[in-house]
Amino acid sequence: DVKVTQSSRYLVKRTGEKVFLECVQDMDHENMFWYRQDPGLGLRLIYFSYDVKMKEKGDIPEGYSVSREKKERFSLILESASTNQTSMYLCASSFNRDSRTGETQYFGPGTRLLVL
Amino acid sequence: QKEVEQNSGPLSVPEGAIASLNCTYSDRGSQSFFWYRQYSGKSPELIMSIYSNGDKEDGRFTAQLNKASQYVSLLIRDSQPSDSATYLCAVPGTGGFKTIFGAGTRLFVKA
Repeated sequence: DVKVTQSSRYLVKRTGEKVFLECVQDMDHENMFWYRQDPGLGLRLIYFSYDVKMKEKGDIPEGYSVSREKKERFSLILESASTNQTSMYLCASSFNRDSRTGETQYFGPGTRLLVL
Repeated sequence: QKEVEQNSGPLSVPEGAIASLNCTYSDRGSQSFFWYRQYSGKSPELIMSIYSNGDKEDGRFTAQLNKASQYVSLLIRDSQPSDSATYLCAVPGTGGFKTIFGAGTRLFVKA
């Protein structure tokens, strides 16, 4: 069974703290993604990675960084958390077979982050 | 930049009715289309994908694609309260294996 796990379901942090969100997939997928989801704004892509140590900016990378040292693990880092980063963070993964037709994305359960 | 547009709803239908969810997309070159379902507080999961013009049926779900008009729809027959969720339409992004998601349509099925 396909599995994407995220390190925390709920997280409360203070403004200015460095925050690490971890995502692990057990499907040997090449691609991994970090999104945030806010009411009325839908899913917005923060960063994605198509291979180990490779990363590309998504639509809203400001204030975030990522790390992919191993194929199965993709970390999202909030360098200095701010209140406008309060959101639901979703990790996803997919195969890398065909960029023209796209591939199914498999999502983790999400991390609801509150920055005070 | 590719775009995917959906009516945010909410769309409310009685139990047993047909729910019709619509999506338009901007890139004529898009070759595949996906419908994801997201229950409140949960993450999205794929329910249908469609690549060719016409209809694709899977149980109570039918995806319809019209490339000339650049729209894709999802029909849910015999709607059940358990179908109440947000439905996200998605297309592949330009290179890089990304996916472009619509903002989603909220569906309520009243018992």
